[in-house]
Amino acid sequence: NAGVTQTPKFRVLKTGQSMTLLCAQDMNHEYMYWYRQDPGMGLRLIHYSVGEGTTAKGEVPDGYNVSRLKKQNFLLGLESAAPSQTSVYFCASSSRALKRTQYFGPGTRLTVL
Amino acid sequence: EDQVTQSPEALRLQEGESSSLNCSYTVSGLRGLFWYRQDPGKGPEFLFTLYSAGEEKEKERLKATLTKKESFLHITAPKPEDSATYLCAVQAKRSDTDKLIFGTGTRLQVFP
Repeated sequence: NAGVTQTPKFRVLKTGQSMTLLCAQDMNHEYMYWYRQDPGMGLRLIHYSVGEGTTAKGEVPDGYNVSRLKKQNFLLGLESAAPSQTSVYFCASSSRALKRTQYFGPGTRLTVL
Repeated sequence: EDQVTQSPEALRLQEGESSSLNCSYTVSGLRGLFWYRQDPGKGPEFLFTLYSAGEEKEKERLKATLTKKESFLHITAPKPEDSATYLCAVQAKRSDTDKLIFGTGTRLQVFP
């Protein structure tokens, strides 16, 4: 049981490039989330999904898109990366059956030059 | 507006020196208050959930308590391996998505 996994672990982009971060969970959780963590700001919610085929905006959604085509996967896309998107990105998942506790992945450290 | 404030920002302890971390919150209807531990370069690791004032939970040297305005994470006789950043988060009753509001964390360093 791997829990929540994220790929890649590290990535460096140039301004304007695009990329997709992949999150996978093997716990059959209904809900999935993407957060970013910046020094002094805490974890902030980017987008979330309450089920396969559904997504919604969080606190800081601008510049990001998401898709959840399969229950176990949640993709975060950056269409045109900007230096302000340099951050550490965390994926999490939760289930109503487990009292809504969110379980986090190991993170992706993204640098945009 | 829902808000979480953690103090202190950083705490240095000698091994065996007990102390407490504070998490003050404002939320319109608390569903749950969560404590996580985060090691450098890793994702947050779940520790506890507290649901109502007066509730307490323990795990090894850690004990979390909850009042209507704040939560404390008490660390008894800490060891160097307890060094980490401790995050507090709240979840509002009105949330249908399990959305968490996080504080900025307390960075704990325990020296031998």
